[in-house]
Amino acid sequence: SQTIHQWPATLVQPVGSPLSLECTVEGTSNPNLYWYRQAAGRGLQLLFYSVGIGQISSEVPQNLSASRPQDRQFILSSKKLLLSDSGFYLCAWSLGLRNTEAFFGQGTRLTVV
Amino acid sequence: TQLLEQSPQFLSIQEGENLTVYCNSSSVFSSLQWYRQEPGEGPVLLVTVVTGGEVKKLKRLTFQFGDARKDSSLHITAAQPGDTGLYLCAASNVGYSTLTFGKGTMLLVSP
Repeated sequence: SQTIHQWPATLVQPVGSPLSLECTVEGTSNPNLYWYRQAAGRGLQLLFYSVGIGQISSEVPQNLSASRPQDRQFILSSKKLLLSDSGFYLCAWSLGLRNTEAFFGQGTRLTVV
Repeated sequence: TQLLEQSPQFLSIQEGENLTVYCNSSSVFSSLQWYRQEPGEGPVLLVTVVTGGEVKKLKRLTFQFGDARKDSSLHITAAQPGDTGLYLCAASNVGYSTLTFGKGTMLLVSP
């Protein structure tokens, strides 16, 4: 069966510090991978998605970047965090092709202080 | 870009009551999904509907896709405290790899 791991679960970082959140998927090959941000327990905002190694699409211009160095690894980064980067970050995968059913990680609660 | 409107935004009911939440758009979808999210966790997929008029049942939950594939509803019969959570609808179209999410309905079921 497929599983998705996302870490850390919580993170408190000072303004101006770098960020690296990692997500890995097991049990499937060539998945579509996604990073979402959720504010105040409401709707999900798509930040980045990837349909293959090294292929990154950005949905929202911002202070963040994403990379996919391996087939089942997706990383969300920032060089200098802003207060507005605080939020709940979710990684997800789907089978791709015509199947967009998404399976989510447990999320990372990021607080920038 | 599709816009999904969910209503109500918040619903607080007593155990045993029935409820319906809605997901509407002016756009036609190729498929629509419903997720439930508990605090501090990622959303969990409940169901996918793809055919206009389709009805799917998952125990006490009934999902319906509108005939024109622009809207959907989720009906819960005899709600239980374990049904508490944020219910999100999400839609996609053929040829797209991404989902558009609604803002969700927060459901609180009290004993």
